[in-house]
Amino acid sequence: NAGVMQNPRHLVRRRGQEARLRCSPMKGHSHVYWYRQLPEEGLKFMVYLQKENIIDESGMPKERFSAEFPKEGPSILRIQQVVRGDSAAYFCASSPGQENTEAFFGQGTRLTVV
Amino acid sequence: DAKTTQPTSMDCAEGRAANLPCNHSTISGNEYVYWYRQIHSQGPQYIIHGLKNNETNEMASLIITEDRKSSTLILPHATLRDTAVYYCIVRTRTGANSKLTFGKGITLSVRP
Repeated sequence: NAGVMQNPRHLVRRRGQEARLRCSPMKGHSHVYWYRQLPEEGLKFMVYLQKENIIDESGMPKERFSAEFPKEGPSILRIQQVVRGDSAAYFCASSPGQENTEAFFGQGTRLTVV
Repeated sequence: DAKTTQPTSMDCAEGRAANLPCNHSTISGNEYVYWYRQIHSQGPQYIIHGLKNNETNEMASLIITEDRKSSTLILPHATLRDTAVYYCIVRTRTGANSKLTFGKGITLSVRP
């Protein structure tokens, strides 16, 4: 059973471009969480999605950031018009969603804005 | 905000048990205690979780006090590869609040 797959592992974007980060959950998992980790800082929750629904987006910046988890395909975190401050590691986790289950993380996408 | 408090750091000798404490005095009845670790800048790794009974798996043991206000993660035979930041997290079972909220964690350094 493959783990949570994130791609790309490294992404370089110029200021003003769009960044698109992908997360394929583990097989059978219908819940996805996105986190951001700035250099030398902790993991900050961004958004929690189920298939085709956003459950909790309380950690998402109000502008430029969006997330989706369509019925088919991976979850996508989209950052429009990137700025230097968006440079960070972005991790996603997936879980089956039932009670008493664990969430597993991918290895992250490291975004560098130049 | 994280609902747990952990010491900032600790170290232990290779081959010895590492006992990592965590306080969660405001934990509610529908919340589990989860432990994750992050080695360098890798993705967080799930270790173990529990509700009120002690738990053990191939990685570690989790001891939860009877009043559930604190817990201890035990790595029975620490190795150099166990050097990492360990996060103690309380998490609602399911629903909109089931996200994992990470605090600062405890940095465990295993020395040779």
